[in-house]
Amino acid sequence: LAKTTQPISMDSYEGQEVNITCSHNNIATNDYITWYQQFPSQGPRFIIQGYKTKVTNEVASLFIPADRKSSTLSLPRVSLSDTAVYYCLGVTGRRALTFGSGTRLQVQP
Amino acid sequence: DVKVTQSSRYLVKRTGEKVFLECVQDMDHENMFWYRQDPGLGLRLIYFSYDVKMKEKGDIPEGYSVSREKKERFSLILESASTNQTSMYLCASSLGTVISGANVLTFGAGSRLTVL
Repeated sequence: LAKTTQPISMDSYEGQEVNITCSHNNIATNDYITWYQQFPSQGPRFIIQGYKTKVTNEVASLFIPADRKSSTLSLPRVSLSDTAVYYCLGVTGRRALTFGSGTRLQVQP
Repeated sequence: DVKVTQSSRYLVKRTGEKVFLECVQDMDHENMFWYRQDPGLGLRLIYFSYDVKMKEKGDIPEGYSVSREKKERFSLILESASTNQTSMYLCASSLGTVISGANVLTFGAGSRLTVL
């Protein structure tokens, strides 16, 4: 199972771009890299998923280099409502991975 | 949208009681999971199931068991609750194939269990 490593916390200000990097050195060939967001007292919710290169949706972008040993979640122009914990993990089909401790993002006015 | 429903949002139980946490999903997902979440420890996988009557141990199965008699329902059982099982319990489901997007987890709102 791929183990992931993320920074414990990050601080930002409203309107800034935030990049959160996740290391996953032993990710499996079939694993998709997936990011989740969690607010207090709620279950995590899916943000974005990718296999390689760049993926963008209405919420975020995900950058994955060719070696796939890391990935970067990019949140453009964060707001106070983006204050949350962000988790990355690699997922394949029927397997499930334990989430890491995640990155606690604090956005300030 | 996929909905994952956990039967109880808050529970208070006494040490030694048998506790059932129920989870139901409505989108015919193959995979279902139980996690617990504690401050500073992230989410830890207790058990998961990829088919009816099938179960796999996660990282912290001790003190827990599970039941999956129907595809849509996955129950977590604490045979004899202890105070160190006080936690937030999260159920999740996923479609279960290797197709991109099919392995996205959808979580329930969580069940906060307090064992006195």
